[in-house]
Amino acid sequence: DQQVKQNSPSLSVQEGRISILNCDYTNSMFDYFLWYKKYPAEGPTFLISISSIKDKNEDGRFTVFLNKSAKHLSLHIVPSQPGDSAVYFCAGEDTGKLIFGQGTTLQVKP
Amino acid sequence: EAGVAQSPRYKIIEKRQSVAFWCNPISGHATLYWYQQILGQGPKLLIQFQNNGVVDDSQLPKDRFSAERLKGVDSTLKIQPAKLEDSAVYLCASSLRGANYGYTFGSGTRLTVV
Repeated sequence: DQQVKQNSPSLSVQEGRISILNCDYTNSMFDYFLWYKKYPAEGPTFLISISSIKDKNEDGRFTVFLNKSAKHLSLHIVPSQPGDSAVYFCAGEDTGKLIFGQGTTLQVKP
Repeated sequence: EAGVAQSPRYKIIEKRQSVAFWCNPISGHATLYWYQQILGQGPKLLIQFQNNGVVDDSQLPKDRFSAERLKGVDSTLKIQPAKLEDSAVYLCASSLRGANYGYTFGSGTRLTVV
């Protein structure tokens, strides 16, 4: 059973525009949701998180939105930069463990 | 602060051979995780340690995989015997304050079983 799903394997946007990465989940017990970014040959790095009791969290160019009724969250990157090109993973936290989605590869074109 | 150290970075073995991976977490991080990431998929939790005790190993294929964290610091993950489907990146991560604050991952060990 896949508790966290990222249905778009890839996304391509122009530099300066908005990138929107989406994530759906099925586990109602998730307390937190996190986004990680991964460059090739490196481990994932933590980007931003949101508590399940909130609907928005912002950190600089990155904003995460949570819609609990739809069991959906999204990561907005504004403005997108070429250095943002990476694989982005969505994860839900349940009893101290992170459960990851499959990832979305973002390409930001100059 | 130093990051999570993993070794080796790459390993190629033949099926049915054994292999071991090593992880040294960030100093003071009580919780340590091993994840398996197969190409094109997200990381999948294999085992979680709290200090030197196992918290969750429900996803660890115990017939061939084993892990230990004897002194509550560094950890080893072993596969014996390896199968072709074990080809993946093995990621170690550690956490100080709990998963909701994000954990720090190492760069991983890329295992190829031929």
